[in-house]
Amino acid sequence: GEDVEQSLFLSVREGDSSVINCTYTDSSSTYLYWYKQEPGAGLQLLTYIFSNMDMKQDQRLTVLLNKKDKHLSLRIADTQTGDSAIYFCAENPGGSYIPTFGRGTSLIVHP
Amino acid sequence: EAQVTQNPRYLITVTGKKLTVTCSQNMNHEYMSWYRQDPGLGLRQIYYSMNVEVTDKGDVPEGYKVSRKEKRNFPLILESPSPNQTSLYFCASSPQGAGANVLTFGAGSRLTVL
Repeated sequence: GEDVEQSLFLSVREGDSSVINCTYTDSSSTYLYWYKQEPGAGLQLLTYIFSNMDMKQDQRLTVLLNKKDKHLSLRIADTQTGDSAIYFCAENPGGSYIPTFGRGTSLIVHP
Repeated sequence: EAQVTQNPRYLITVTGKKLTVTCSQNMNHEYMSWYRQDPGLGLRQIYYSMNVEVTDKGDVPEGYKVSRKEKRNFPLILESPSPNQTSLYFCASSPQGAGANVLTFGAGSRLTVL
């Protein structure tokens, strides 16, 4: 997981925006992913972005990709308590089928 | 429903007693993988399989074995479990192809080795 780095914790107030950041190392990654793990559950895909895109928006979620800096971010607008979870960034180095995951960012949403 | 099914979900065992965690997927995925999740360490890959009869070591394979005799099943075998294998285990699968190859994860198996 050292090739993909993310901060371990983020705490936000309900209704605010959350921004979870990730840096990766392999510039040949074709796709970059965000997975969400809710308490007591497995990971589920939240969204992904193709490497030739700068931004992808899906309702409250905005993904920004800066290929030059190898930086990926996930913005959650109007964060709700149901968004409390661990968010994992992942890349597929060299376009392989074997993703590399970050250590996960625990998002804590408080009233 | 498309899913990855792991069993057992919870298991407490003792050092040295062989155990198998089963994993089955119904999506005809070629790729399957086992991960362990530990606090502060994130997900670490144990073994993976690109297709039937093809398996490879991940980052932390010591103390584990796998087999892929059929496309849908990918069991994880702990021949002689030790306390440092106490962890939360996830099986995952994905298709192989030109697309995003999104992983589908099982619900997890929490293993405690005393």
